[in-house]
Amino acid sequence: GQSLEQPSEVTAVEGAIVQINCTYQTSGFYGLSWYQQHDGGAPTFLSYNGLDGLEETGRFSSFLSRSDSYGYLLLQELQMKDSASYFCVPNAGKSTFGDGTTLTVKP
Amino acid sequence: KAGVTQTPRYLIKTRGQQVTLSCSPISGHRSVSWYQQTPGQGLQFLFEYFSETQRNKGNFPGRFSGRQFSNSRSEMNVSTLELGDSALYLCASTLNDGASYNEQFFGPGTRLTVL
Repeated sequence: GQSLEQPSEVTAVEGAIVQINCTYQTSGFYGLSWYQQHDGGAPTFLSYNGLDGLEETGRFSSFLSRSDSYGYLLLQELQMKDSASYFCVPNAGKSTFGDGTTLTVKP
Repeated sequence: KAGVTQTPRYLIKTRGQQVTLSCSPISGHRSVSWYQQTPGQGLQFLFEYFSETQRNKGNFPGRFSGRQFSNSRSEMNVSTLELGDSALYLCASTLNDGASYNEQFFGPGTRLTVL
């Protein structure tokens, strides 16, 4: 079957670094993507890891380990506007978003 | 290039009624996916259409159906509405050009309330 695990909530302060972990179990896995959704808004694409290793996009980095069925999103120099929900999405035909992780950034 | 549009943005229906939601993907995008988002269940995949054919389907009852037209526009229909169908319904379009991964572009959603 398919399963997806992320922490439900994470809290951090401005300027800090936070890591959101994701473990998955799915068949036909091609890669892992991350989406951000602000309250009341639509999800927007952040990054995709098709291969093992780290992908960096500005303040955000994403990591994938296929052998461990594990990935994470790293957010650096946190800003208040980073308060949002973050979804890891295995790329495997059906898109499983799950409940995501709600990140709250405090001043 | 215009983004994904969904109509209507808000809808109020009563139990037992049916509803049709519409999604226009980004020009040139060939794949449309539908999702249901509720506070308790997160973001759940309904189905995906590509070239007028349903390519993937989530775990929803048969009351939920969809279709895609030749211009890639898509509609989803929910029949015999239940209170639990109250949710934000999101549509996402994907280019689907054969690349290893195509990001999904989401529309603003249709907020359905069932009374």
